Amino acid sequence: ILNVEQSPQSLHVQEGDSTNFTCSFPSSNFYALHWYRWETAKSPEALFVMTLNGDEKKKGRISATLNTKEGYSYLYIKGSQPEDSATYLCAFSNFGNEKLTFGTGTRLTIIP
Amino acid sequence: GAVVSQHPSRVICKSGTSVKIECRSLDFQATTMFWYRQFPKQSLMLMATSNEGSKATYEQGVEKDKFLINHASLTLSTLTVTSAHPEDSSFYICSARDYPGYTFGSGTRLTVV
Repeated sequence: ILNVEQSPQSLHVQEGDSTNFTCSFPSSNFYALHWYRWETAKSPEALFVMTLNGDEKKKGRISATLNTKEGYSYLYIKGSQPEDSATYLCAFSNFGNEKLTFGTGTRLTIIP
Repeated sequence: GAVVSQHPSRVICKSGTSVKIECRSLDFQATTMFWYRQFPKQSLMLMATSNEGSKATYEQGVEKDKFLINHASLTLSTLTVTSAHPEDSSFYICSARDYPGYTFGSGTRLTVV
């Protein structure tokens, strides 16, 4: 059984502050790590697909890092805005398998 | 970008009836479609994988006769919950392989009364 864990489960952040959260996954037979942003009543929106150890990706104020040897990824949001409020999901796939295993998500609320 | 349209977004049905959920890829061909289910406070759990023109592959513990998946074309996949019972009440969501990632529908909240 593959376990993907995300922490914290939820957090509240003041508008303008920066924040980060964690996704941990099995390090053996790693293939890819996906981050999604999911607003209520909408489709999960793909943020990053990361495959290489040490990878860093950035999209506007959001960035992510990947450590495949120790099995974790961080998602960073700089200068949080109200529109960043959403649930952030990570999902892992291992080599030779297209299936994604999801964490339970981090629910982020930005306080204006 | 790629879009997957999922309908209905919410459905309430009586126990014993069947419900069909549709996922359409609007501007790309979805060779492979994945169907997930999410119970409260839990993660998205893969139910089955379907490839266009072939039988779906179900995950362990998912009843294939209860959750019928049809992927007859490259733009349409359907999930039919047959003889639904209250324990089937859940959130169902599809995603299509769209390299290098996946594109999701917006999900269906099923309530069986």
